[in-house]
Amino acid sequence: DTGVSQNPRHKITKRGQNVTFRCDPISEHNRLYWYRQTLGQGPEFLTYFQNEAQLEKSRLLSDRFSAERPKGSFSTLEIQRTEQGDSAMYLCASSLGGFRGQYFGPGTRLTVL
Amino acid sequence: QQQVKQSPQSLIVQKGGIPIINCAYENTAFDYFPWYQQFPGKGPALLIAIRPDVSEKKEGRFTISFNKSAKQFSLHIMDSQPGDSATYFCAASIRGSQGNLIFGKGTKLSVKP
Repeated sequence: DTGVSQNPRHKITKRGQNVTFRCDPISEHNRLYWYRQTLGQGPEFLTYFQNEAQLEKSRLLSDRFSAERPKGSFSTLEIQRTEQGDSAMYLCASSLGGFRGQYFGPGTRLTVL
Repeated sequence: QQQVKQSPQSLIVQKGGIPIINCAYENTAFDYFPWYQQFPGKGPALLIAIRPDVSEKKEGRFTISFNKSAKQFSLHIMDSQPGDSATYFCAASIRGSQGNLIFGKGTKLSVKP
């Protein structure tokens, strides 16, 4: 069990560019979550997958954000036309569901210049 | 009603002390309450979690106390060590939801040698 991995760990981009992040969950976990964390705040829920189906999206997830989880394995989060307000740590978590815990990856730190 | 209110914002204790971090909630539909530890530049790590049918849960040096009638829960760290210096987050999820977590704003703990 290697834990949740995320790539890249850091991304610096210019405003208006598109960026894509990848998350590889713990292999047997069928649930995958994306969160966003800004400095000095707790993580905020963005979206949730059960296997390959995206079942819930937060109002925080504007139409510039899209997430996929093809084949129910890894997931990608794409942000189009990035804005400075998108600068944050993007965290991925996975779980087996029920009351079993969510396990977080190390995050991708996005800086939009 | 969706919020989890966490206090204090920061806490300094001496090595061996017992820091206590408190969280309060309003929504009685919350039924799962985990605590996470986060070091700078890392993702949150699950420490311990509790459900409302239990008043206390202990794992190693970490104890959660849960008061259902007061809608409050707290984390106690026994025999605290400098290596426990981190930011701690409480969280909650809603009964019947997909499990997405609502986080408090965090408590920055510093344990002095």
